[in-house]
Amino acid sequence: SQQGEEDPQALSIQEGENATMNCSYKTSINNLQWYRQNSGRGLVHLILIRSNEREKHSGRLRVTLDTSKKSSSLLITASRAADTASYFCATDNEGSSASKIIFGSGTRLSIRP
Amino acid sequence: DSGVTQTPKHLITATGQRVTLRCSPRSGDLSVYWYQQSLDQGLQFLIQYYNGEERAKGNILERFSAQQFPDLHSELNLSSLELGDSALYFCASSAAGGIGADTQYFGPGTRLTVL
Repeated sequence: SQQGEEDPQALSIQEGENATMNCSYKTSINNLQWYRQNSGRGLVHLILIRSNEREKHSGRLRVTLDTSKKSSSLLITASRAADTASYFCATDNEGSSASKIIFGSGTRLSIRP
Repeated sequence: DSGVTQTPKHLITATGQRVTLRCSPRSGDLSVYWYQQSLDQGLQFLIQYYNGEERAKGNILERFSAQQFPDLHSELNLSSLELGDSALYFCASSAAGGIGADTQYFGPGTRLTVL
């Protein structure tokens, strides 16, 4: 079963606009990561936020984490055509000796020129 | 370029056959992870090895097995292949063994087609 579920499944915006993607998860986590995947390619790590952090920035990316709501959001500001990709959140479950990282189903982001 | 290499890039085979996918982690990384990505199942974690030992297991079928060798490269063996095994198989590596705790660097993937 999916731990992280991204919302929306697909998003199309105009170049220059901001894009917001959300991720919800079910169980307590140690940390949450966001990855980007261009079509048919490997995933690229974007940012990691730990469970005791609330917000993190990296360039045009801003990630928030609300552990009380078990949700995270990824904001991409001033979007560019090169941002067109699928974005996945991945959670690392807390308290498991054999914990595993679970990826959500992803948000497909399309940037219109 | 992530520094993780995977071979082959494409593999076409028939049902019932057995294939081996190979992964070389980034220099210095001790952990190797295997993932399967299909249209209907999304990205599924299969298994993790750390410094030659199995560290975590995900949704890996009994028909699948993996190992990590002393030089830290890893192989994923898929046997008795079924049509549903057609997917992209990714390998990732990280420096440490705490799954999820550090950044994973993904390889370009092997596209497996079972006919």
